[in-house]
Amino acid sequence: DAGVTQSPTHLIKTRGQHVTLRCSPISGHKSVSWYQQVLGQGPQFIFQYYEKEERGRGNFPDRFSARQFPNYSSELNVNALLLGDSALYLCASSLAGLDTEAFFGQGTRLTVV
Amino acid sequence: GIQVEQSPPDLILQEGANSTLRCNFSDSVNNLQWFHQNPWGQLINLFYIPSGTKQNGRLSATTVATERYSLLYISSSQTTDSGVYFCAVGGGTASKLTFGTGTRLQVTL
Repeated sequence: DAGVTQSPTHLIKTRGQHVTLRCSPISGHKSVSWYQQVLGQGPQFIFQYYEKEERGRGNFPDRFSARQFPNYSSELNVNALLLGDSALYLCASSLAGLDTEAFFGQGTRLTVV
Repeated sequence: GIQVEQSPPDLILQEGANSTLRCNFSDSVNNLQWFHQNPWGQLINLFYIPSGTKQNGRLSATTVATERYSLLYISSSQTTDSGVYFCAVGGGTASKLTFGTGTRLQVTL
């Protein structure tokens, strides 16, 4: 079975641009969460979606948005990129919402120049 | 929100040594996971252990939920065990995992 897949794996963008990151969960999993990990820190929660509805949002500006599609895949969008948005973006997949084991993709490494 | 502290922050071991990593959390939790992050950034699931004890080969973990801590034991360490180990917790109505700051492990020959 395929694990959580994210695309692209690496990305370089210029300040002010927009970026879209994509995630496909494990087959049968209905919940997708997004995390941002900057160098030297643990991942920080951005969003959770379950059954196509937003179930949680972390402390990130409105430039960050996400959605989940009928096939449970998800997109994370970031507008007006700042240098500080450079990070590893991780997608997690779980069967249900709360309190179920999360499995992570390999991440998208975003560099903003 | 829940606070998660991991110790030690850094650990250097010789191959074959044993180690214990600790995770303290500030509130009751319904979800606790241990991960190993490899040099390429992939988070590898080690244990899903909101309570009790589990073992998987050379690794084992114990969570004492009433005392708000979890321990990860690594026995007979190998160079491939090197990397960062994260504890992550979720609880109550929170839909997220809160990660600790990690323990960076280096296993030398």
